[in-house]
Amino acid sequence: TQLLEQSPQFLSIQEGENLTVYCNSSSVFSSLQWYRQEPGEGPVLLVTVVTGGEVKKLKRLTFQFGDARKDSSLHITAAQPGDTGLYLCAGGRDDYKLSFGAGTTVTVRA
Amino acid sequence: NAGVTQTPKFQVLKTGQSMTLQCAQDMNHNSMYWYRQDPGMGLRLIYYSASEGTTDKGEVPNGYNVSRLNKREFSLRLESAAPSQTCVYFCDSSGQGYEQYFGPGTRLTVT
Repeated sequence: TQLLEQSPQFLSIQEGENLTVYCNSSSVFSSLQWYRQEPGEGPVLLVTVVTGGEVKKLKRLTFQFGDARKDSSLHITAAQPGDTGLYLCAGGRDDYKLSFGAGTTVTVRA
Repeated sequence: NAGVTQTPKFQVLKTGQSMTLQCAQDMNHNSMYWYRQDPGMGLRLIYYSASEGTTDKGEVPNGYNVSRLNKREFSLRLESAAPSQTCVYFCDSSGQGYEQYFGPGTRLTVT
């Protein structure tokens, strides 16, 4: 059983469209991280959010941490083919160990 | 500055064979981790080392052992490989704060 549930599992959209990926849990986390992973490579950290209600923007990507620190979302505006990849959320606790969601595979068609 | 390096990149083993996966980081990080990634399951923590000389079990430690050889190196050993250990293995290191750096992975197939 995954501690963090990601939805949707797969997402295929046209270039220029917007998309949102969700990460939900019944557990409280001290931090929430989002990663992007490309085929044959390791995950690359995109952002860390630590405060309930926090919103962070990274160019066309917007990350939000829920008020209760149990859920998070990743929104991409005007998606580009370069945004294609596996997006993973990971919750951190005080022992610095991470629990990962199963991932969302995003495909942006040109 | 190479970050986190892993060897080998690919390996095929027969059931019952043993092997050691190597990981090294050049960022002077205290904490290092080994994860396995199975399709549709994200990453699951096998073992971690919070500092040189210490190791602890993660979520899925059965069938694995680890050694924190020094601050730079953290190895993962499979004593008797099983088909259920077929997956991609990632090494990760972290320093102060929330920065995490993953290696490129080792793709292992056990037949």
